[in-house]
Amino acid sequence: DAKTTQPTSMDCAEGRAANLPCNHSTISGNEYVYWYRQIHSQGPQYIIHGLKNNETNEMASLIITEDRKSSTLILPHATLRDTAVYYCIVRVASNTGKLIFGQGTTLQVKP
Amino acid sequence: GAVVSQHPSWVICKSGTSVKIECRSLDFQATTMFWYRQFPKQSLMLMATSNEGSKATYEQGVEKDKFLINHASLTLSTLTVTSAHPEDSSFYICSAFPGLAASSTDTQYFGPGTRLTVL
Repeated sequence: DAKTTQPTSMDCAEGRAANLPCNHSTISGNEYVYWYRQIHSQGPQYIIHGLKNNETNEMASLIITEDRKSSTLILPHATLRDTAVYYCIVRVASNTGKLIFGQGTTLQVKP
Repeated sequence: GAVVSQHPSWVICKSGTSVKIECRSLDFQATTMFWYRQFPKQSLMLMATSNEGSKATYEQGVEKDKFLINHASLTLSTLTVTSAHPEDSSFYICSAFPGLAASSTDTQYFGPGTRLTVL
């Protein structure tokens, strides 16, 4: 299973864009990159996922490098409610659907 | 979007007793559900994969006789912590796929979690 590396923590000013990086240099060609976040004492929340093209939804944008070895999650206008732990996960290639969580990035949005 | 619920949201029990936690998919059917546990300030750890109509698949190091999983219907999986001890105190979270088969593109949705405290 491909592993991911994320910074332990990041700060962002309210209203500014939050850019969360993730390295996944051993990703396989058929593995997707998923992003989830966990607000304190809640279950994780799905944000976005992608294979090789950039993706955008109502929550965020996902930018994947051409070699697929890294990606960036962008929250365009961070709010205090975006303070959470953000997990970048590479989906295992089998059809069991397991998600293996790393340590994630704690994003603190400050007023 | 797909909704997964858990019951109870928190539970306190005495050491040696058993506790059952329910995970329900409210607006979709799920042949596969997952159970995670999370200790304070740590990440989620996958415990087992729950398959409707068959035995659960446990991750390495997880005691299957202690953490009993039953997936009797397409909308309900239960986790029973048997003979609970203080070290079993944790945040237990389930998840499910809104589909009959888990593929790389399916999105997994999580329940709100159950906080177990064993005295």
